[in-house]
Amino acid sequence: GENVEQHPSTLSVQEGDSAVIKCTYSDSASNYFPWYKQELGKRPQLIIDIRSNVGEKKDQRIAVTLNKTAKHFSLHITETQPEDSAVYFCAAALGYKLIFGSGTRLLVRP
Amino acid sequence: NAGVTQTPKFRILKIGQSMTLQCTQDMNHNYMYWYRQDPGMGLKLIYYSVGAGITDKGEVPNGYNVSRSTTEDFPLRLELAAPSQTSVYFCASSYTGGDNQPQHFGDGTRLSIL
Repeated sequence: GENVEQHPSTLSVQEGDSAVIKCTYSDSASNYFPWYKQELGKRPQLIIDIRSNVGEKKDQRIAVTLNKTAKHFSLHITETQPEDSAVYFCAAALGYKLIFGSGTRLLVRP
Repeated sequence: NAGVTQTPKFRILKIGQSMTLQCTQDMNHNYMYWYRQDPGMGLKLIYYSVGAGITDKGEVPNGYNVSRSTTEDFPLRLELAAPSQTSVYFCASSYTGGDNQPQHFGDGTRLSIL
């Protein structure tokens, strides 16, 4: 079955710096890759997604890149702010299901 | 438009007790999912449904049951609660299957088995 690996597990950056989170997936049939942000005690919320026919997608300070050949995709957050502090999950869709990575805890230091 | 609504928000059960976690959505989504999230971990799929009357197992179905009698509702049943089922349970829904539309999550049910 599909397996999604996510790195790093924790990431600490200075406010204003960039943050990059990387994921790899195992099943080449996966063709949809969402990213979710989860604040402490809250629900996961979709922040950006990318489909396999696109190599990069941006939305203000966040961007996602996809390399289908290498089977990896990454989340980039620029000009980080304290409110970006949260746990971020990547996921890969296989059939009807999403397979989630184990999460990255991002801390943005003021 | 409430989205995905889960009840209760918190519950404490004794070992061996049973309960049903409720999930309802008002977005006319066909696909619904149940996940569990253990502390500091990712989301594991318990069961999912692609429409009324159709359910299937996910990664961790043991100890749980589901039903889908209507498009809106997708309850999760714990028959004999065990300490290993202490977790936060999230229900989610999407218009179509995982490779096409994002999943929308409810606020979760925090369940403790003592």
